[in-house]
Amino acid sequence: AQTVTQSQPEMSVQEAETVTLSCTYDTSESDYYLFWYKQPPSRQMILVIRQEAYKQQNATENRFSVNFQKAAKSFSLKISDSQLGDAAMYFCASRTGTASKLTFGTGTRLQVTL
Amino acid sequence: GAVVSQHPSWVICKSGTSVKIECRSLDFQATTMFWYRQFPKQSLMLMATSNEGSKATYEQGVEKDKFLINHASLTLSTLTVTSAHPEDSSFYICSASVASGPNNEQFFGPGTRLTVL
Repeated sequence: AQTVTQSQPEMSVQEAETVTLSCTYDTSESDYYLFWYKQPPSRQMILVIRQEAYKQQNATENRFSVNFQKAAKSFSLKISDSQLGDAAMYFCASRTGTASKLTFGTGTRLQVTL
Repeated sequence: GAVVSQHPSWVICKSGTSVKIECRSLDFQATTMFWYRQFPKQSLMLMATSNEGSKATYEQGVEKDKFLINHASLTLSTLTVTSAHPEDSSFYICSASVASGPNNEQFFGPGTRLTVL
């Protein structure tokens, strides 16, 4: 079974600053994928970034990047140059390579202040 | 991009009635669809996984006779909440994936808010 843990229920960042959201996971599989999803007030789930476990290079999508530490089973999300539109719930999720269902963490609510 | 729609976006019903929620993949064929439930300020909890033309696989603790799932075509899955009660009030989200295998990314619908009076 997979588990995903997000230990930060809420985080706050000033506009234009950088913030890091933490996520740890546990899996016995060697082939798995990790994701960060954003859920704004509209409740629409939006994929922010994904990381294949077999790739050593950290994924990057514009202002979003991850720090994937496989041995530590850590998968943190860094948001650079934070914008007001980044305010949302952020969910970390995992999926094994052989199954398609996602396991979500409990989420981190990010506030962006002026 | 891949778009998933849900209908209705919100519904209010009386206790004891049944409610059907539709999930459609608009521009792709979804071999697998997922149904999630999300209570306020909580995470998404997977209820069931459905594959086109076969019976849904329910997660532990989810009553399959209460939450009926039909995946009749590659673009449509429905969730019927039978004999709804106030405790069934929640936000229901579906997602769809294009194909099985490593790149079967899930695309999420906008969700349906169910309120049972």
